Amino acid sequence: AQSVTQLDSQVPVFEEAPVELRCNYSSSVSVYLFWYVQYPNQGLQLLLKYLSGSTLVKGINGFEAEFNKSQTSFHLRKPSVHISDTAEYFCAVTPALNSGYSTLTFGKGTMLLVSP
Amino acid sequence: GAVVSQHPSRVICKSGTSVKIECRSLDFQATTMFWYRQFPKKSLMLMATSNEGSKATYEQGVEKDKFLINHASLTLSTLTVTSAHPEDSSFYICSARRGLRGGVYTEAFFGQGTRLTVV
Repeated sequence: AQSVTQLDSQVPVFEEAPVELRCNYSSSVSVYLFWYVQYPNQGLQLLLKYLSGSTLVKGINGFEAEFNKSQTSFHLRKPSVHISDTAEYFCAVTPALNSGYSTLTFGKGTMLLVSP
Repeated sequence: GAVVSQHPSRVICKSGTSVKIECRSLDFQATTMFWYRQFPKKSLMLMATSNEGSKATYEQGVEKDKFLINHASLTLSTLTVTSAHPEDSSFYICSARRGLRGGVYTEAFFGQGTRLTVV
């Protein structure tokens, strides 16, 4: 089984400041990792994913994340945030199986609050 | 990316009635669909996984007779909340994935969610 820990439930930051949202995972098998964003009363939108290859992954909206296997982490970063980045961010993992049926395990989410 | 459409986005129903939520993959065939429930300030809780043409697999603690899931075609899955009660009020989100493609992982796409309020 897998588990995901997002230590920060809420991260307040000023506009144009850098931000890092932390994600740690636990798994006995190799995993694929994801970050999703959720705006109020909407579904989830994929920001970026790590499947294999380079451990630094770039996503949409200027976000990037780095997979660190030794620390079992996949922290999300953005060098300069905008007011429009205010949303809930979820880290998720799934076993790296050659299967179309593996499910996602989500963290509890981190609310990013960007203020002027 | 692929589009998953969920309908309705909001529904208010009376206690004791049933509500059906639809999830459609608009531009791909979804071999597998997932239904999640999201409580306020909580993560997504997987309720069930459904594969086209077969019975859904429910997670532990989810009442299969209360939350009926049908995956009748490769583009449509439905969740019916039967005899709804106020405690069923929540945000329900569906997700759809393409089938296996030569052993390569295929990502899941999410619907917009349905806010169910039972009064």
